[in-house]
Amino acid sequence: KAGVTQTPRYLIKTRGQQVTLSCSPISGHRSVSWYQQTPGQGLQFLFEYFSETQRNKGNFPGRFSGRQFSNSRSEMNVSTLELGDSALYLCASSSSGEGAFFGQGTRLTVV
Amino acid sequence: GENVEQHPSTLSVQEGDSAVIKCTYSDSASNYFPWYKQELGKRPQLIIDIRSNVGEKKDQRIAVTLNKTAKHFSLHITETQPEDSAVYFCAVNDYKLSFGAGTTVTVRA
Repeated sequence: KAGVTQTPRYLIKTRGQQVTLSCSPISGHRSVSWYQQTPGQGLQFLFEYFSETQRNKGNFPGRFSGRQFSNSRSEMNVSTLELGDSALYLCASSSSGEGAFFGQGTRLTVV
Repeated sequence: GENVEQHPSTLSVQEGDSAVIKCTYSDSASNYFPWYKQELGKRPQLIIDIRSNVGEKKDQRIAVTLNKTAKHFSLHITETQPEDSAVYFCAVNDYKLSFGAGTTVTVRA
């Protein structure tokens, strides 16, 4: 079974731009969650989607948004990028009641 | 939402010794407790998990214990080896995974 796939692996963007990250979950997993990982803040929960609906949301500003498609693939978007948005963005997929499996992440650098 | 506290934040052990990481949580309804290991530059990987109807689970050199009354659970690594050096995260599943802040484990040769 293929694992969780995130694209792209690396991104460099300029302040004020927007970015879209993609995540393809493990086949059969309907839940996709997104996390921001920074050295100082650890793993911060962004949001979770299940069957195309946002089920949970973390404490991030409205510049961070996401969506999930009918095939469970998910995208997250960050608008008006700030330097502080530089981080590793991880997505994780899970089946109901099970642990989550992470993708390799997208390393976003905002300059 | 769930509040997960993890201690210690760093842990240095001599190769062959044991390592113990403890986590506490706030929501008594939580029922699934996974642990993740993240090596430098890699993704977090699920290494062991435990459900609320079980008090202890073991997988080779790692074990997890759960005390539901006290709302804490622990990861135990025995006979530590250099490849155990990594950041370990506990997590609690209450509709979503809430993570502890992580423990950086260093195994000294």
